[in-house]
Amino acid sequence: SAVISQKPSRDICQRGTSLTIQCQVDSQVTMMFWYRQQPGQSLTLIATANQGSEATYESGFVIDKFPISRPNLTFSTLTVSNMSPEDSSIYLCSVEGMGQQSSGANVLTFGAGSRLTVL
Amino acid sequence: AQKVTQAQTEISVVEKEDVTLDCVYETRDTTYYLFWYKQPPSGELVFLIRRNSFDEQNEISGRYSWNFQKSTSSFNFTITASQVVDSAVYFCALSEMDSSYKLIFGSGTRLLVRP
Repeated sequence: SAVISQKPSRDICQRGTSLTIQCQVDSQVTMMFWYRQQPGQSLTLIATANQGSEATYESGFVIDKFPISRPNLTFSTLTVSNMSPEDSSIYLCSVEGMGQQSSGANVLTFGAGSRLTVL
Repeated sequence: AQKVTQAQTEISVVEKEDVTLDCVYETRDTTYYLFWYKQPPSGELVFLIRRNSFDEQNEISGRYSWNFQKSTSSFNFTITASQVVDSAVYFCALSEMDSSYKLIFGSGTRLLVRP
């Protein structure tokens, strides 16, 4: 089955700085998705990233704060800009279901996430 | 609006006990998907099952079983003869059937299986 790699796996950042998270998939996918999991909470979709077009953001998330790139069918980046402690979360990249166990409509495969702590 | 409620924040059982994780959902859609994902301590979400709203048959996969009841808007997950490796956070999720890939997750249930 496909593999999703995220970098960094974790980082500690200073308030006011920005950090870019990378997501690499070992096969081509049309859509990639970025989710946020705040400490002890559930997952919330930030945006959908399609190659060759602007990302589509969910309510409550804006491009200035979370710019996304999707330069090709296997790679995407999410930047968390001007970070504050409230941005401390796990950020997860996901793609349409891949592999025998998870194929099918609306099934997402997730990366291991990037755990950010903002001081 | 769509919503998923997992009322059990944390459950602790002793190995070999059976345990049921509850999931109640709200949606105005007549067609939708329901999911369960497992998040072990490593952090990666592992897909367990997808059920569409047309199919209310219960499903069994090894020690796992799922009970989908549209009448009560519930999609409960039972682990039989639990094992320490089952310790994880389990998320129930809902999505529209139009392939929007926007999953609405519940808050998760942390399961601790003690030896």
